[in-house]
Amino acid sequence: GAGVSQSPSNKVTEKGKDVELRCDPISGHTALYWYRQSLGQGLEFLIYFQGNSAPDKSGLPSDRFSAERTGGSVSTLTIQRTQQEDSAVYLCASSLRSNEQFFGPGTRLTVL
Amino acid sequence: AQKITQTQPGMFVQEKEAVTLDCTYDTSDPSYGLFWYKQPSSGEMIFLIYQGSYDQQNATEGRYSLNFQKARKSANLVISASQLGDSAMYFCAMRRGSSNTGKLIFGQGTTLQVKP
Repeated sequence: GAGVSQSPSNKVTEKGKDVELRCDPISGHTALYWYRQSLGQGLEFLIYFQGNSAPDKSGLPSDRFSAERTGGSVSTLTIQRTQQEDSAVYLCASSLRSNEQFFGPGTRLTVL
Repeated sequence: AQKITQTQPGMFVQEKEAVTLDCTYDTSDPSYGLFWYKQPSSGEMIFLIYQGSYDQQNATEGRYSLNFQKARKSANLVISASQLGDSAMYFCAMRRGSSNTGKLIFGQGTTLQVKP
């Protein structure tokens, strides 16, 4: 079956612009996660959606970052007024009941 | 606060030999889960193995085993009979609580290179 998909795969933007990153989780997965990976670093948790519960936003680094999950499926991560330090690979993952989180291929964001 | 520490930035191993990748963790929660993921140069994250804090036995998945030492708060990954395709970055991660969903806290990773 289809795995987690993310779009775009690459995004180059200018400092100060807003960007939207999209994640399509595996169908039926109730949990959806966003992580960020800076060059050569480990993954940093950003936000977590579980079903209809309020999302865990504890990892969002600033109020320029926000995320939505519509209809319990697709999620969009929005970064407003991008800064150069926002450059990273943004990874989305989803899970159902297993311990395994299934990761998408990521979106590489470059802020010039 | 939870923390994962991987002290080996890079490791080398000869093909067909075993290798241990170190991971220590810090948490005050009695219930937690420990994970290992592999990230090849292609960038995908591949789940390898899971260990629950109350599991009595060390987890094993094929050539992967997790050496869980609860008192030492360590969760080392052992890869037996290394293959060239094992060359990748390896991440240790932790999730608090007994639920099977929840955010993961990752370590900084260890780069493993397998020599022919």
